[in-house]
Amino acid sequence: DTAVSQTPKYLVTQMGNDKSIKCEQNLGHDTMYWYKQDSKKFLKIMFSYNNKELIINETVPNRFSPKSPDKAHLNLHINSLELGDSAVYFCASSQDRRAETQYFGPGTRLLVL
Amino acid sequence: QKEVEQNSGPLSVPEGAIASLNCTYSDRGSQSFFWYRQYSGKSPELIMSIYSNGDKEDGRFTAQLNKASQYVSLLIRDSQPSDSATYLCAVIRSGNTGKLIFGQGTTLQVKP
Repeated sequence: DTAVSQTPKYLVTQMGNDKSIKCEQNLGHDTMYWYKQDSKKFLKIMFSYNNKELIINETVPNRFSPKSPDKAHLNLHINSLELGDSAVYFCASSQDRRAETQYFGPGTRLLVL
Repeated sequence: QKEVEQNSGPLSVPEGAIASLNCTYSDRGSQSFFWYRQYSGKSPELIMSIYSNGDKEDGRFTAQLNKASQYVSLLIRDSQPSDSATYLCAVIRSGNTGKLIFGQGTTLQVKP
């Protein structure tokens, strides 16, 4: 059983399109995260939800909108995709909002053409 | 100044040697420190956490923390080719529970 899963694994799309990435964790954790890892491998937090409540919202364009229908799921919707959005997006979860140990999903490789 | 800094490498060591990876951080009040390992094309996985000054050992891995000097290091003894990966240092700053700040990672190459 995969602890943190993401779909899709790969996403190739045209500039201007809208796309969504889904994340699910079966660890019973309260807190989930979205990270972006750029081409230089720099991993940066974007959002965090604790029990469906948004608790971290970094300086991210408002084209990015996270949604947490329940504490086991955190989705990321991206509107009007731009070339600079090309990156690997990782979902992660932790027991609680202290974020002490985070478990990462396999990543979604997004390429915007 | 970046909040968490690492030398991007690559750091190349022969098999069986000790690999030493270093990380400095800017927020003096930071409380929690982590080392994640990321193989090429894979997701990060936690290998060590450390919260107080001194050394913490786990198998071939030793994390060292010096809050006065604001650095944290990871030693890998008896390095193996399977240790070849990017090692990411991460910090939770004071008053910012829930937010991991990552360094840019150090790529380690262990040559047989």
